[in-house]
Amino acid sequence: DAKTTQPPSMDCAEGRAANLPCNHSTISGNEYVYWYRQIHSQGPQYIIHGLKNNETNEMASLIITEDRKSSTLILPHATLRDTAVYYCIVRVAQYGNKLVFGAGTILRVKS
Amino acid sequence: KAGVTQTPRYLIKTRGQQVTLSCSPISGHRSVSWYQQTPGQGLQFLFEYFSETQRNKGNFPGRFSGRQFSNSRSEMNVSTLELGDSALYLCASRSDTDTQYFGPGTRLTVL
Repeated sequence: DAKTTQPPSMDCAEGRAANLPCNHSTISGNEYVYWYRQIHSQGPQYIIHGLKNNETNEMASLIITEDRKSSTLILPHATLRDTAVYYCIVRVAQYGNKLVFGAGTILRVKS
Repeated sequence: KAGVTQTPRYLIKTRGQQVTLSCSPISGHRSVSWYQQTPGQGLQFLFEYFSETQRNKGNFPGRFSGRQFSNSRSEMNVSTLELGDSALYLCASRSDTDTQYFGPGTRLTVL
């Protein structure tokens, strides 16, 4: 079973920041937070991951609370092409360890 | 680097037939995982291969099998196809930093 809780859907205006929340209150000390997204009928796309520090890359920023029980994925300037299902996954970074996908959040970016 | 490639992209089979799907990981990646995605069950882990050995297996019947070759390419096979096997089959290639990158998937339709 997925260990995360995400809102089923969110809307965001084009050009604004999209902030996607994720609760993972039972996260263990050695579990990372991963974010993937899936645009309709395509394979999931890796976005970012982190352990306890905030992370940023060319796609997004990941903010993890100090107690690690929740996190927020931030897309700084959402475009229509960011409309997708966003998955928050917690897992131990260990070979052989699968990704367990929940239902995710459907993000709709609107013009 | 080229991404994960999967062939074929689309496939139509009839009940009782068998099917073989192929996946070529990102160059240098030695681990390949397979996932099944259906509207009802979401994304579910099938199995993972590393250096030609199955390292982890999901909760699927024995009709689902796979293998990996010395060049890291992987195939999965489904025998005695059922209508419920209609799905998007996704292959993921794992990097040395344990991040998984997905291919575009093979859409299998069983009639």
